Amino acid sequence: QVHLVESGGGVIQPGRSLRLSCAASRFSFSLHAMHWLRQAPGKGLEWVAAISSDGSQKYYADSLKGRFTISRDNSKNTLYLQMNSLRAEDAAVYYCARDMGQLWPLYYFDYWGQGTLVTVSS
Amino acid sequence: EIVLTQSPATLSLSPGERATLSCRASQSITSYLAWYQQKPGQAPRLLIFDASNRVTGLPARFSGSGSGTDFTLTISSLEPEDFAVYYCQQRSNWPPIAFGQGTRLEIK
Repeated sequence: QVHLVESGGGVIQPGRSLRLSCAASRFSFSLHAMHWLRQAPGKGLEWVAAISSDGSQKYYADSLKGRFTISRDNSKNTLYLQMNSLRAEDAAVYYCARDMGQLWPLYYFDYWGQGTLVTVSS
Repeated sequence: EIVLTQSPATLSLSPGERATLSCRASQSITSYLAWYQQKPGQAPRLLIFDASNRVTGLPARFSGSGSGTDFTLTISSLEPEDFAVYYCQQRSNWPPIAFGQGTRLEIK
């Protein structure tokens, strides 16, 4: 069974940076595009970023305005999200999710991690 | 940017009843729509993709339909474990990938 485990969340002051990681196992990580999504407390789902299977293509939600960077290390089966200049509105549970497609992304999310909570507070 | 509007916001039904959840897109997304189920404290779970395709292992009581701008998730006979929040998601015009605001299906 596909396994995704996020880490790196915590309490961070506004304006600071944080890097989230997502360790993937039990599937061919290098064949799938991957995504980060988030969910503010009591709110709906928001797509954050996507990265192609080989890491060459990256896409972001407009609201992030260049503050976040998605990356991956296929040799380590790990996905990352570098978050800079954090704001109160970035507080959320951050999920990594596998793209349903192999090699060619389908932009549906068939497996999700359990999420990691990011709290932005002074 | 495509906006997805789900209705109703909350649906109160009893086990055994039929649930009909709606998702409307602000412009045509052909059949590029998915449905997810989320229970409290859990990650979302993909149920339906491309409007009507069930994921492997999904009970047959779940079905999706629609195309263009109007989509429906139907649960034919509610089981206790079906009470959750349901989200629709489009992939027709990305980025961004958009979600609806969710429908809460609660026990009456």
